[in-house]
Amino acid sequence: EVQLLESGGGLVQPGGSLRLSCTASGFAFNNYAMSWVRQAQGKGLEWVSTITATSISTYYADSVKGRFTISRDNSKNTLYLQMNSLRAEDTAVYYCAKRAVAGIGHCLDPWGQGTLVTVSS
Amino acid sequence: EIVMTQSPATLSLSPGERATLSCRASPSVGNNLAWYQQKPGQAPRLLIYGAATTTTGLPARFSASGSGTEFTLTISSLQSEDFAVYYCQQYNNWPLTFGQGTKVEIK
Repeated sequence: EVQLLESGGGLVQPGGSLRLSCTASGFAFNNYAMSWVRQAQGKGLEWVSTITATSISTYYADSVKGRFTISRDNSKNTLYLQMNSLRAEDTAVYYCAKRAVAGIGHCLDPWGQGTLVTVSS
Repeated sequence: EIVMTQSPATLSLSPGERATLSCRASPSVGNNLAWYQQKPGQAPRLLIYGAATTTTGLPARFSASGSGTEFTLTISSLQSEDFAVYYCQQYNNWPLTFGQGTKVEIK
């Protein structure tokens, strides 16, 4: 069974930093691109970032470009999101998600259960 | 950036009724469109990709169609477990973008 487990969320002050992790199991992690998607409370889904299987390419939403860094350690089956210069508007549940079907495009499945990031003083 | 617009925002229907959800892309996304279902307190779940390909195990009451700029998700006969929020997502271009969602609620 494919499983994704996020961790690292919490309360952080504006301007602070946080690193999220997503530990994967049940599939060949090093064969799949991975993404982060966030959802503010009561709001819709917002794509944040994607990294290809071998880390050759990374992609970011304009809202986080220059502040967030996506990375992965294929030896540890783990995806990361380093978040710096955090703002109140970054408050959300952050989901990690696997590229659903290799070669089909970046639709996402499954998703982890999410980790809550709250940026507040 | 490709803008995804879903309609209606809320669909109030009774169990057994047919639900028709729309998603419009601007500009065209070809067939690079996915549909997700999200229930309260849960992560989204992929239902459809490639505009019309259903995921393994998805009940036959779910179907989807469309290409280019106009897409539809149909639930032929709503069951209690289908009341949820549905999102479309394009993966034709970066950045990946989602529609704002359609809530299917019990009338």
